Amino acid sequence: DIQMTQSPSSLSASIGDRVTITCRASQIITSYLNWYQQKPGEAPNLLIYAASRLQSGVPSRFSGSGSGTDFTLTINSLQPEDFAIYYCQQSYTTPFTFGPGTKLDIK
Amino acid sequence: QVQLQQWGAGLLKPSETLSLTCAVSGGSFSDFYWNWIRQSPGKGLEWIGEINHSGVTDYTPSLKSRATMSIDTSKNQFSLKLTSVTAADTAVFYCARGRLFRGTSAYYFYMDVWGKGTTVIVSS
Repeated sequence: DIQMTQSPSSLSASIGDRVTITCRASQIITSYLNWYQQKPGEAPNLLIYAASRLQSGVPSRFSGSGSGTDFTLTINSLQPEDFAIYYCQQSYTTPFTFGPGTKLDIK
Repeated sequence: QVQLQQWGAGLLKPSETLSLTCAVSGGSFSDFYWNWIRQSPGKGLEWIGEINHSGVTDYTPSLKSRATMSIDTSKNQFSLKLTSVTAADTAVFYCARGRLFRGTSAYYFYMDVWGKGTTVIVSS
């Protein structure tokens, strides 16, 4: 299975900050990388697919980049509703696997 | 607006069979892949498997011997059965729609619509 790691595991930031979350795959997955946001008691919500494509309805302050094994999710100008857990997921091959998550909370 | 509504027994005893169903409303059923994912504190998010409208399945190897997915296209529903459950199967189970994006040189898979989740607890 492809192993996904994320850093940091947790992050504190303030409203208006720019934050970057990193995801790394244990092998090359080209651009087969998705990002999800999950809030307490809710299902994950797709933010980014194919490494950099913004899902319809997701605010443009979210962006994704990377290819190969290293990827980043950037959130510009943090809003109160952005404090959540963020997961990356590879879709290069089954079994699809997720990263352990990055918890973003308010400083 | 596509919605996934899921249901199933939430409390099981060890060795029993978990049975969950997910109903799809508001959109096409045949053009997508239908997935089950679970989330437990110990293992995070774990993809269980998928089924397409033709009934072709793909399971994660660790659960392949115990998991069975089925589909009922007449009802726009798909289901998961997981046999011989143990406490390690305690988790929130989600159904999700999978789809493909056609890029310049490849098709990229992602899950864009999720059910609300069903908490399953296995306890004697």
